[in-house]
Formats: sequence, structure tokens, C-alpha cells
Amino acid sequence: EAGVVQSPRYKIIEKKQPVAFWCNPISGHNTLYWYLQNLGQGPELLIRYENEEAVDDSQLPKDRFSAERLKGVDSTLKIQPAELGDSAVYLCASSADRGLGNTIYFGEGSWLTVV
Amino acid sequence: AQKITQTQPGMFVQEKEAVTLDCTYDTSDQSYGLFWYKQPSSGEMIFLIYQGSYDEQNATEGRYSLNFQKARKSANLVISASQLGDSAMYFCAMRTRDMRFGAGTRLTVKP
Repeated sequence: EAGVVQSPRYKIIEKKQPVAFWCNPISGHNTLYWYLQNLGQGPELLIRYENEEAVDDSQLPKDRFSAERLKGVDSTLKIQPAELGDSAVYLCASSADRGLGNTIYFGEGSWLTVV
Repeated sequence: AQKITQTQPGMFVQEKEAVTLDCTYDTSDQSYGLFWYKQPSSGEMIFLIYQGSYDEQNATEGRYSLNFQKARKSANLVISASQLGDSAMYFCAMRTRDMRFGAGTRLTVKP
């Protein structure tokens, strides 16, 4: 069974440029998460989807960040325009549903460097 | 509000010895799940072990065990017989409505 797939793996962009990250969750997983991880810190939740509905996006900086999961499967996270402080790892994760015991599985992350 | 605290930024252990990584949590929810993840330098987050808040027995998965003390709100990870490949960041996490993570502990296993 394929795990959570993310692309691109690495991205270097100049500040003020746009960037997009793509995530394909584990087949059949209804819940999808985007996390931000700064160097040396734990992941911080940006947004959680239950199927195609964003049910928790309180930590998403909506002035420059947007996300979508149109058909309840793949998801895209966009930053426009990027700032130097956005340099971080963007982790996508999925779980079967939001049951407490359901493990959340992570992709390898998209490493963003803004110069 | 949920809060996960890992007070050990870094830990060292001799190969083949056991090590305990500390984790305390705070929540007003009665039902929650506690998780530990390992993150090697390559970056992927690897699930290690899970403990439910109503589980009476401590969870074990191979060399990993979770020392769950509900009254103290602690969920420490014990790694037995440490191996060089155990060197990584370790994150404690709690799940209620969503999953929140601690700041992590960097474990270094010495040969």
C-alpha cells in the first residue's frame, strides 16, 4: 500500500513568488492534514480536512496561504506571495478518519527555502 | 487548551541501554489518544506507538513501550536495548479534535 505522497520534495524560490505543494493521501483516508514544521520544532497544524471540507483552518495564515481538496482526495497547499519566514518543511498527513485511535501517517514533506 | 510538553531538548544513551523520553500533556478532554513519532534526519515522521486514554495497560511495540500515568498526565516513551539507528528526533503527540505535537527530543545513541 502506497503511503502519503508529496511533491515537490524540495523547492527554492525567491521571496514574493508563489509556490504550491501537492499531496496524495493514503487510499481511503478521509482525513487530511497539512502541518508546518520549522527547524528544530514540532509540527504545527495548518489545516485539517474531513473529505473535501476544511474543518479546522484556524492556524492557516489566510492572507497568503490557501488550500483545497476539491474531490476529497488530493490536496494542494499554496503560498502567495512567499516570505522569507515561510522557509520550513510542509508536511501532509492522512488518517482513516478522525477517530482518536487512528494513526496519522505522514508524507516525506516538502522542504521550502525562500531566498 | 491542549498542550504537549517535552522537557528534554537532547538525550544521550549508550548503545544497548534503555532510555526514557519524557512527555507531559494537558487537556480537559476525557477521551484522547497519545502517540510517539520518530523523525530521522531524512525528515519523514514514523509512527512508533499509541496509547488510548482509557487503555488500562501500557502500550508496547517491540522495543518501544509507553509508560502511561494518567493521573500525572504523562506518557513517557521507553526504548529498550538502544541501537545506533535509534538516533533521531522523537515527538510526543496528543489527539483530541486534531493532533498536536510537542517540541521534540533529540536522541543520540553512542557506540
